[in-house]
Amino acid sequence: LAKTTQPISMDSYEGQEVNITCSHNNIATNDYITWYQQFPSQGPRFIIQGYKTKVTNEVASLFIPADRKSSTLSLPRVSLSDTAVYYCLVGDINDYKLSFGAGTTVTVRA
Amino acid sequence: GAGVSQSPRYKVAKRGQDVALRCDPISGHVSLFWYQQALGQGPEFLTYFQNEAQLDKSGLPSDRFFAERPEGSVSTLKIQRTQQEDSAVYLCASSQWPPAADGNQPQHFGDGTRLSIL
Repeated sequence: LAKTTQPISMDSYEGQEVNITCSHNNIATNDYITWYQQFPSQGPRFIIQGYKTKVTNEVASLFIPADRKSSTLSLPRVSLSDTAVYYCLVGDINDYKLSFGAGTTVTVRA
Repeated sequence: GAGVSQSPRYKVAKRGQDVALRCDPISGHVSLFWYQQALGQGPEFLTYFQNEAQLDKSGLPSDRFFAERPEGSVSTLKIQRTQQEDSAVYLCASSQWPPAADGNQPQHFGDGTRLSIL
């Protein structure tokens, strides 16, 4: 699996947009980029997945530049309940061994 | 069911005891995974089942760890002669692996069993 680098932590305030950038310089041609969210005392929850350009769903947007060496998860207008650890994963779609790393702890304040 | 269910949510055992952790996957999900999550770290892969077949157990830390899924549904992770380093959250996930044609086939996680070895 391609190694990823993401910030250890980020602070934000309610109503702001949060952007978490993940670096994956060694991403392979067949690799997808997937983000999971984990609240305290809960299991990780799939947020979004993409291969290139931009993907948007009801929770977040994922921006992937043409060289695919990085990606940015964008959370619009965060609330206190968005406080969680966010994991960036990169790997072949057929690779079932998810490699989470340490993730980014996002803290949203009132 | 609505989601992956794990029991117990919390387990405290003395060093040397055997423990068994249960996972009820989402109904109809073919694939089942176990992960171990140490405090402050991301989950790490332990083992993978497709139906009742254990196709990958490369992540199991030692031969004290054993997992089974005899009927292709419920799975049990057993740890024998527990050690303090076994203290962690054990997460179970299921999915309709292999991925669909669009590639979007996430793993759905339970809330885990927090195991504390005294």
